[in-house]
Amino acid sequence: KNQVEQSPQSLIILEGKNCTLQCNYTVSPFSNLRWYKQDTGRGPVSLTIMTFSENTKSNGRYTATLDADTKQSSLHITASQLSDSASYICEITSGTYKYIFGTGTRLKVLA
Amino acid sequence: GAGVSQSPSNKVTEKGKDVELRCDPISGHTALYWYRQSLGQGLEFLIYFQGNSAPDKSGLPSDRFSAERTGGSVSTLTIQRTQQEDSAVYLCASSRTVGRADEQFFGPGTRLTVL
Repeated sequence: KNQVEQSPQSLIILEGKNCTLQCNYTVSPFSNLRWYKQDTGRGPVSLTIMTFSENTKSNGRYTATLDADTKQSSLHITASQLSDSASYICEITSGTYKYIFGTGTRLKVLA
Repeated sequence: GAGVSQSPSNKVTEKGKDVELRCDPISGHTALYWYRQSLGQGLEFLIYFQGNSAPDKSGLPSDRFSAERTGGSVSTLTIQRTQQEDSAVYLCASSRTVGRADEQFFGPGTRLTVL
């Protein structure tokens, strides 16, 4: 069964600290992996996309890694800001149009 | 508009009533997707359109759900005889084409509450 599991379910950190979110998947075939940020009451917004052959991708303070052998990905947030408070969702594209989403990690950044 | 828009933003209805949700994709985007997001659940794929045709309707939960797209633009998702388990946020997304690398741009969603 195609699944995307994220951990932790929720996380609270202090402003300025770093954090790492995890995504494990059992999806086949694998086309690419995206991380999204979803603010409360808004739709998800893409942060990074990685294909099978890529193992790291950065977007400002966000750095995603992918280990296609172990089927694991992580999203590292550096020097967190209050505006980083949101849900972060991992998504695997399988084939051309099958999009399989994890349940997300809810991040809260405190001043 | 610059982004994907959805209406209404909130809908409260009584069990058994029909509801219609609307999505306006980004101009020029040929692909359009509908998802359902329930509390504590990941986004659940419902249906996608390439132009006006829907090659894959397998994600629709039951025959009470239907969707159409006209003119390659606006799409409506209709839920007939709503049930309480239909309560969720319904998200629409569009992309330039149906392709593995094409980014989906999401609308803000319609929060449906069935009493």
